[in-house]
Amino acid sequence: GAVVSQHPSRVICKSGTSVKIECRSLDFQATTMFWYRQFPKQSLMLMATSNEGSKATYEQGVEKDKFLINHASLTLSTLTVTSAHPEDSSFYICSARDQGAPYFGPGTRLTVL
Amino acid sequence: AQSVTQLDSQVPVFEEAPVELRCNYSSSVSVYLFWYVQYPNQGLQLLLKYLSGSTLVKSINGFEAEFNKSQTSFHLRKPSVHISDTAEYFCAVRRDRGGSNYKLTFGKGTLLTVNP
Repeated sequence: GAVVSQHPSRVICKSGTSVKIECRSLDFQATTMFWYRQFPKQSLMLMATSNEGSKATYEQGVEKDKFLINHASLTLSTLTVTSAHPEDSSFYICSARDQGAPYFGPGTRLTVL
Repeated sequence: AQSVTQLDSQVPVFEEAPVELRCNYSSSVSVYLFWYVQYPNQGLQLLLKYLSGSTLVKSINGFEAEFNKSQTSFHLRKPSVHISDTAEYFCAVRRDRGGSNYKLTFGKGTLLTVNP
């Protein structure tokens, strides 16, 4: 199946700093990628849809100025958590679609101290 | 809009026993259905998908799921589980066409625990 990678796999940062997470489709092109957030022992919550060459579409309740998304190429989308706070600590997962099926990256564990 | 219900939050079974993880969905349009597996601290891996054709779909590691349109279900089954099958399983649905975003709607997940 298609492969989606994420970098870094885990990051620890201080409160107030910004963190960038990369999502790459390795063997296919993705005009659309999705960013999810997962809290412990819970399902995935869609945060935003990243569209190559245009603005991201955010889900209700997700702060677009807090979670900046850039989809500069057909294989790369980035999520930047700006001025991170402890409540932003979570597992962030990206997804891209290949031949009708969504494939997920391995996730990024963000811990904000 | 679509919704997904996974009726069991946890399913404990013994090794080599059969298992069924239930998934029901609600949608006013035709849908595609998926099962994903998540191991601790990892992302989601696609286990099975139903897009069209045969309603019974199978994975390479012995899981299978059957799309039942009349009962709006897509239950996941395995005749004999292994300890390595212990993981969280998510059922997901997406409308089959139209809508540029192809958003997935997830169930809350079922934790399958296989005991020796």
